[in-house]
Amino acid sequence: GAVVSQHPSRVICKSGTSVKIECRSLDFQATTMFWYRQFPKKSLMLMATSNEGSKATYEQGVEKDKFLINHASLTLSTLTVTSAHPEDSSFYICSALSDGQGAGNQPQHFGDGTRLSIL
Amino acid sequence: RKEVEQDPGPFNVPEGATVAFNCTYSNSASQSFFWYRQDCRKEPKLLMSVYSSGNEDGRFTAQLNRASQYISLLIRDSKLSDSATYLCVVPSGGSNYKLTFGKGTLLTVNP
Repeated sequence: GAVVSQHPSRVICKSGTSVKIECRSLDFQATTMFWYRQFPKKSLMLMATSNEGSKATYEQGVEKDKFLINHASLTLSTLTVTSAHPEDSSFYICSALSDGQGAGNQPQHFGDGTRLSIL
Repeated sequence: RKEVEQDPGPFNVPEGATVAFNCTYSNSASQSFFWYRQDCRKEPKLLMSVYSSGNEDGRFTAQLNRASQYISLLIRDSKLSDSATYLCVVPSGGSNYKLTFGKGTLLTVNP
């Protein structure tokens, strides 16, 4: 089945550090990937849609200069949390849609998430 | 009506029990629906897809009522390993395949 790998799985760093998270589709091509954030006991919230070869589409309230997304190939999207602060501590999860899947009616394949803790 | 609204839970049931979760959605144009399960501090994993009136997979049955914009998930003969948060997920439609997640319902199956 479709596998999405996310790295790193856990990050602990000091306030002000920039953190890069990678999301890779291992056995399929993904023109579209998604980045979610989940705070404790809350639902997953979509942050942005990452499109290969073009700019990401950010959801309302998500700062594009704070959360930099690069989708340079059909199998890799990266999310960089710039100058991270304690309030950015959260569980970040990516997902990918396999190219060739029908529009809007197929499940996404999730990475195993990155737990980010900013001290 | 919220985009996706689920039973708040939590549900605590004994092993072997039957438990049902409800979910309502607001986008009448949605064509497909998903139930995911999420274990504590883990990523969501797809449990079932629902495209027509319902779907059954072993002990799990999902039902869809388009008129009422309502989806349910029934778990029969609950196992300890069924303990998780169950997420009702509805595509937002359009060409960008956005998903809207419910807040989830926590299930604990007790021995």
